[in-house]
Amino acid sequence: LAKTTQPISMDSYEGQEVNITCSHNNIATNDYITWYQQFPSQGPRFIIQGYKTKVTNEVASLFIPADRKSSTLSLPRVSLSDTAVYYCLVGALLSGGYNKLIFGAGTRLAVHP
Amino acid sequence: NAGVTQTPKFQVLKTGQSMTLQCAQDMNHNSMYWYRQDPGMGLRLIYYSASEGTTDKGEVPNGYNVSRLNKREFSLRLESAAPSQTSVYFCASSDSYEQYFGPGTRLTVT
Repeated sequence: LAKTTQPISMDSYEGQEVNITCSHNNIATNDYITWYQQFPSQGPRFIIQGYKTKVTNEVASLFIPADRKSSTLSLPRVSLSDTAVYYCLVGALLSGGYNKLIFGAGTRLAVHP
Repeated sequence: NAGVTQTPKFQVLKTGQSMTLQCAQDMNHNSMYWYRQDPGMGLRLIYYSASEGTTDKGEVPNGYNVSRLNKREFSLRLESAAPSQTSVYFCASSDSYEQYFGPGTRLTVT
C-alpha cells in the first residue's frame, strides 16, 4: 500500500476555502484515493473518493493531477463544525468490496471564528 | 437502519483479564474490520474479514483473536489484556470504496 504524507495541522477561519494536500508518490495503478473525516470520540466518516482528475460532491472536491502522485481535498467555506482530523488514504478495491486502508496520523484542521 | 454497532462503549479491565468486543452491521456488507486508535494517532488495522468465513491479520494482530460469526457479526477477543492494549477500538464494514465505522469502544487496562 502506498504511503501518504500530509500536513500535521492547519488553521483556517470561518467562510474560507481550505485545501489539504496529500502526497502519495508510490501509488499503484489500481489504487484509488479516499479521504475521511474524524471528530473527537467518533469513528472516521467517508468524505470523498477518486481515481483521477476532479471529483465533487455536496461536501468537498478532490483534485488529482495526471501523475496521481498527490491529491488535494478542498473544503469550500468552512465552518466551526469542520474542525476535525482529515485522513488521506490510498487503497485498492478488491473483489467482494474488500478494501485495505492504512491510516496515517492525518491533518488536524482547526477552524476559528 | 443502525449501521455499525459496537458493545460495550466503555470497559475497564485488569491486566490478564479477557473480554470480547462485539460488532454488528445491518448493511449486508461482505467485509468487516477491527482497528485500534491510540491518543493522537491514526487508526491501525488489527484484523479484517474480507468475507464471511475468512479472517486475516492486519498491521497489529498480536494479543488479539477474531471471529466472523456470520455475515453481520465480527467479534474481537483479548485473551489476556495488557496495559499496552489500552486504546479506542473501532469496527468497520464495507462493500465498496467506503468503510462505515462504528462509534468505538474505549478500553482501559490497568
